[in-house]
Amino acid sequence: DAKTTQPPSMDCAEGRAANLPCNHSTISGNEYVYWYRQIHSQGPQYIIHGLKNNETNEMASLIITEDRKSSTLILPHATLRDTAVYYCIVRVTDSWGKLQFGAGTQVVVTP
Amino acid sequence: DVKVTQSSRYLVKRTGEKVFLECVQDMDHENMFWYRQDPGLGLRLIYFSYDVKMKEKGDIPEGYSVSREKKERFSLILESASTNQTSMYLCASSTPGTGPETQYFGPGTRLLVL
Repeated sequence: DAKTTQPPSMDCAEGRAANLPCNHSTISGNEYVYWYRQIHSQGPQYIIHGLKNNETNEMASLIITEDRKSSTLILPHATLRDTAVYYCIVRVTDSWGKLQFGAGTQVVVTP
Repeated sequence: DVKVTQSSRYLVKRTGEKVFLECVQDMDHENMFWYRQDPGLGLRLIYFSYDVKMKEKGDIPEGYSVSREKKERFSLILESASTNQTSMYLCASSTPGTGPETQYFGPGTRLLVL
């Protein structure tokens, strides 16, 4: 699975959009981009995944660049409950099993 | 919504005790996983199961065993707890398919071994 690079931390004002970048320059054509988050002392929570096209669900939007070497997770209207560590993971399409979490980005939403 | 539940949020045990951690999922998932999470080490896979009565070792199975007698339940057993097994234990489940796998996690059990 390709390696990912994320900033270690970022702050966001409550009510504003939070844009979380992820670099995955060695991604292969059959690898998906996943995002999970982990609120303090809780289990990781699946947010969204995508292959090539931009994706949106009730939690977030995922924007993947045309060359697929980077992506951005967008939380459209951040709330205090969105304070968490956000993990960007790249996985081969038909792989399953161990999830490899990196260090992630600590997002702090402030009032 | 997928629901993965774990029997305890917090547990305190003594060295040498046998410890059972239970995980139940309600989405009829074939795959279930046990991870532990420690500061600076991230998530590490202990064991996983892809079917009832089937189990596979993950990266750090030593000191642990598992049991999967029913599809919805996956138990992690610490045969003789030691202080280095103090950790956050996370259970997850997923279903195989032709598309990408998504794992759903339980809330975690924070275990302290004294």
